[in-house]
Amino acid sequence: GAVVSQHPSWVICKSGTSVKIECRSLDFQATTMFWYRQFPKQSLMLMATSNEGSKATYEQGVEKDKFLINHASLTLSTLTVTSAHPEDSSFYICSAMVAEHSNQPQHFGDGTRLSIL
Amino acid sequence: SQKIEQNSEALNIQEGKTATLTCNYTNYSPAYLQWYRQDPGRGPVFLLLIRENEKEKRKERLKVTFDTTLKQSLFHITASQPADSATYLCALGSQTGANNLFFGTGTRLTVIP
Repeated sequence: GAVVSQHPSWVICKSGTSVKIECRSLDFQATTMFWYRQFPKQSLMLMATSNEGSKATYEQGVEKDKFLINHASLTLSTLTVTSAHPEDSSFYICSAMVAEHSNQPQHFGDGTRLSIL
Repeated sequence: SQKIEQNSEALNIQEGKTATLTCNYTNYSPAYLQWYRQDPGRGPVFLLLIRENEKEKRKERLKVTFDTTLKQSLFHITASQPADSATYLCALGSQTGANNLFFGTGTRLTVIP
């Protein structure tokens, strides 16, 4: 149980393109989803926390106008990288929590490798 | 801001031995700590959670300790197998009740047959 599906698994596109990444909880309802970015040999850096039906909470230094997050249902959150540039190339990973209470594990998708040419 | 350090970037051990990974943190008092396994090109997979009032947690061949005085967690894999080769991440949970996790940079473990 607690499977999170992320799509697409990899994207290559030209600079200036907007890219949408989907994160779905397949067998549970996720009131909270998280979006991370991971550069090679570095840790996961939290970008934003997404709550169903409300605006996302962005971490310091993350541009909310560039990284648009929508969490329209209890099983789907999307991250749109707008006008992507080569420096946005990274591994983007989403996670979801089964319950609202803290100290619960997060269930991760398999990530999206984004390469901007 | 909080700082999380995992003792080494890479650790090689012989099959059958016990692997011990270290997670140290500063400028933070987490309510709980979690350990994850991450394989190349994949998302992390949850392994164990230990709360601040717990000293030790076990699950099959895995054992985690949590010393809030030393601000350190140790992660042990006993009777290690080549299939245990992966990157292991520690993550600190918030004291405020928020669900955010702060991840260490990970230790890449290689178990040599």
